[in-house]
Amino acid sequence: GQSLEQPSEVTAVEGAIVQINCTYQTSGFYGLSWYQQHDGGAPTFLSYNALDGLEETGRFSSFLSRSDSYGYLLLQELQMKDSASYFCAVSPHDKIIFGKGTRLHILP
Amino acid sequence: DGGITQSPKYLFRKEGQNVTLSCEQNLNHDAMYWYRQDPGQGLRLIYYSQIVNDFQKGDIAEGYSVSREKKESFPLTVTSAQKNPTAFYLCASSTTSFYTFGSGTRLTVV
Repeated sequence: GQSLEQPSEVTAVEGAIVQINCTYQTSGFYGLSWYQQHDGGAPTFLSYNALDGLEETGRFSSFLSRSDSYGYLLLQELQMKDSASYFCAVSPHDKIIFGKGTRLHILP
Repeated sequence: DGGITQSPKYLFRKEGQNVTLSCEQNLNHDAMYWYRQDPGQGLRLIYYSQIVNDFQKGDIAEGYSVSREKKESFPLTVTSAQKNPTAFYLCASSTTSFYTFGSGTRLTVV
């Protein structure tokens, strides 16, 4: 079977750093990606890791360890506009499987 | 600008009706997908298509049908056999690495 586990909710303070973890179990694997979704909106692509290590894009970074079937999304210098749901997703081969999402709450 | 267009944005269906959700892309992507999202939930795959005139069932295909007659278009029909169709429907197309999503259709049964 295929499954992804990520926390349902995370709370952090504006200006701080937060990490959202994701563990997965799949029968095949090409990469781990992250998407952001604001309430009522469509998911938007944030990052993609095909190889082990850290990928950095501005305030967002994503990490993958294929041996541990684990990855995380790191958000730095949190802003109120970062309040959203964040989904990890794995690519077995011909489609992408999404986790249930982590709701990020940011306190002023 | 390239992108994915879903229409309508809001749709109301009476009991026993079939309705069709439109999805059009001009990104020249071969692969297209339909997902369903319920409140506070993740995205569940309904159908996907890797190439014109071919498509596969996802995890929750029962009560839905699709067609892929053109590369640009992947319409989804919600049939009367779908007993709980109220949800947010998202269409996506992809390269090998990531998806681009449409803005979604919110379907409500009245």
